[in-house]
Amino acid sequence: GAGVSQSPSNKVTEKGKDVELRCDPISGHTALYWYRQSLGQGLEFLIYFQGNSAPDKSGLPSDRFSAERTGGSVSTLTIQRTQQEDSAVYLCASRLTGLSNQPQHFGDGTRLSIL
Amino acid sequence: GQQVMQIPQYQHVQEGEDFTTYCNSSTTLSNIQWYKQRPGGHPVFLIQLVKSGEVKKQKRLTFQFGEAKKNSSLHITATQTTDVGTYFCLPNTGNQFYFGTGTSLTVIP
Repeated sequence: GAGVSQSPSNKVTEKGKDVELRCDPISGHTALYWYRQSLGQGLEFLIYFQGNSAPDKSGLPSDRFSAERTGGSVSTLTIQRTQQEDSAVYLCASRLTGLSNQPQHFGDGTRLSIL
Repeated sequence: GQQVMQIPQYQHVQEGEDFTTYCNSSTTLSNIQWYKQRPGGHPVFLIQLVKSGEVKKQKRLTFQFGEAKKNSSLHITATQTTDVGTYFCLPNTGNQFYFGTGTSLTVIP
């Protein structure tokens, strides 16, 4: 079966523009996570969706960042008025349920470059 | 967020040498998972530990969970160039958003 799919794989945009990043989780997975990874750095949690519950947005770095998940499946991460420090790889992961005894499955990420 | 510290941050070893990374939490964990991220790749799940004192092996990799369920280690025996990458722990501290800080392993042929 298909894994987690993210698009685009690469995005280059000018400072101040808005960007949308898409994540298609594994079919049937109810939990979805967004992470940010700057070059050579660790995994920074951004937001977590679990089923129909309100998302945990505690990791979003500023109000320029938002995310939604439609129909419990596809998720979109939006960054408004991009800044150079937003340059990073944005990783999406899904999990069968929100239970912690299951692995997270990651997509290949979107590499975002802000000029 | 509270990231769990992993040590060391970086490790360079000659091929054939052993390698260990440690994940240390200040709180008792329900379980802990380990992931490997190859250069240019995404994290991939390796294993989960649940029980106090648990030891699991995958070929040359040995994973341990401390008796107090606060610490865990990943040991690689006789490293190979295919072991290159960053190893992350994912401790369950009530949520599972915060990966450990990671240990980057370089293997010198």
